[in-house]
Amino acid sequence: GAGVSQSPSNKVTEKGKDVELRCDPISGHTALYWYRQSLGQGLEFLIYFQGNSAPDKSGLPSDRFSAERTGGSVSTLTIQRTQQEDSAVYLCASSLEPGLRNTEAFFGQGTRLTVV
Amino acid sequence: GNSVTQMEGPVTLSEEAFLTINCTYTATGYPSLFWYVQYPGEGLQLLLKATKADDKGSNKGFEATYRKETTSFHLEKGSVQVSDSAVYFCALSALSGSARQLTFGSGTQLTVLP
Repeated sequence: GAGVSQSPSNKVTEKGKDVELRCDPISGHTALYWYRQSLGQGLEFLIYFQGNSAPDKSGLPSDRFSAERTGGSVSTLTIQRTQQEDSAVYLCASSLEPGLRNTEAFFGQGTRLTVV
Repeated sequence: GNSVTQMEGPVTLSEEAFLTINCTYTATGYPSLFWYVQYPGEGLQLLLKATKADDKGSNKGFEATYRKETTSFHLEKGSVQVSDSAVYFCALSALSGSARQLTFGSGTQLTVLP
């Protein structure tokens, strides 16, 4: 596609429910990143994929969070048993190469998750 | 670990005023430095970048110089416009564990009044 696409754009869920957030990266981009943006905070790194593997999962805040990527393309971030502190905007980005030294990361518009 | 500290906002300026948003960093190795911008209702987009010391990134009238001696990458613009109103994020790319990743500052909200 023309850009990074995320769905849904907004999600309201009840505490304790599971949610799935989807990211469609730019075609051909091998690297994919998930970030979380909480109100008044910077972007918090969650996980990075190179192809279908995730060499860096260090940012996942708890074992309720998991992510997968299939076919080197679409990625899904799953949050189980959601808590109110999970409320945030979840951003996905992709880049042509993983180095990020000279290549640009392209961001989607995010999924705004509200846990009530 | 890697970290980015940027000037807290919000910042409110009149049109044609001079803008500086301070950014300092801590990183292992030789990071690349970026400024990303988030316009209202839009996703983050790259504004400018610099990949080595003394490089100057520039775009849309904005400039930032990679200063290794002061570990800084301050964003400047000589004459801001209403259309520059947005949130600005300083970021670095450096090794963290086994991979390079982008580390972001907390963002600075800029409002330019006509």
